[in-house]
Amino acid sequence: KAGVTQTPRYLIKTRGQQVTLSCSPISGHRSVSWYQQTPGQGLQFLFEYFSETQRNKGNFPGRFSGRQFSNSRSEMNVSTLELGDSALYLCASSLGGQYNSPLHFGNGTRLTVT
Amino acid sequence: AQSVTQLDSHVSVSEGTPVLLRCNYSSSYSPSLFWYVQHPNKGLQLLLKYTSAATLVKGINGFEAEFKKSETSFHLTKPSAHMSDAAEYFCVVSDRANQGGKLIFGQGTELSVKP
Repeated sequence: KAGVTQTPRYLIKTRGQQVTLSCSPISGHRSVSWYQQTPGQGLQFLFEYFSETQRNKGNFPGRFSGRQFSNSRSEMNVSTLELGDSALYLCASSLGGQYNSPLHFGNGTRLTVT
Repeated sequence: AQSVTQLDSHVSVSEGTPVLLRCNYSSSYSPSLFWYVQHPNKGLQLLLKYTSAATLVKGINGFEAEFKKSETSFHLTKPSAHMSDAAEYFCVVSDRANQGGKLIFGQGTELSVKP
């Protein structure tokens, strides 16, 4: 079974630009979550989608948004990029997003904002 | 609300010696607890999970963890470290107040293994 796939692996953008990251979950998984990982803040929850609906959202500004398609694939978008958005963005999937279901993570997208 | 504290930011052991990574948690409900490992430039891999069954949980690669409710701890151990165990380890808590894919991560413990 293929794991969680994130594309692209690396991105370099300049301040003010926008970026779209993509995530394909494990086949059959309907819940997709996004996390931001930085050395200073660690792993922080961005949002979670289930059946094309955002069910949960972390404490990030509105510049961070996402969506999920009918095949469970998900994208996240960051508009008006800031230097502080430089991070590893991790996508994770699970069957139904229950609290006791482990998440399966992709290898992440490394975003560098210059 | 849930929280998790990893008591050591960095642990260094020699190859072949035991590993102990410490984790304390806080939860208003019966928690689910996980340990994940992250190798450089990789995503997180699940090592093991506790979900209210046996208190001693065995995971992959020889790791295990013991849930101790009285001490609110979930420490990760391995009898004999291998060079390939060098990585960052995250203790994670979740409970029924946290539906929707939101896990609470500790700050991580970097494990170094000396030859």
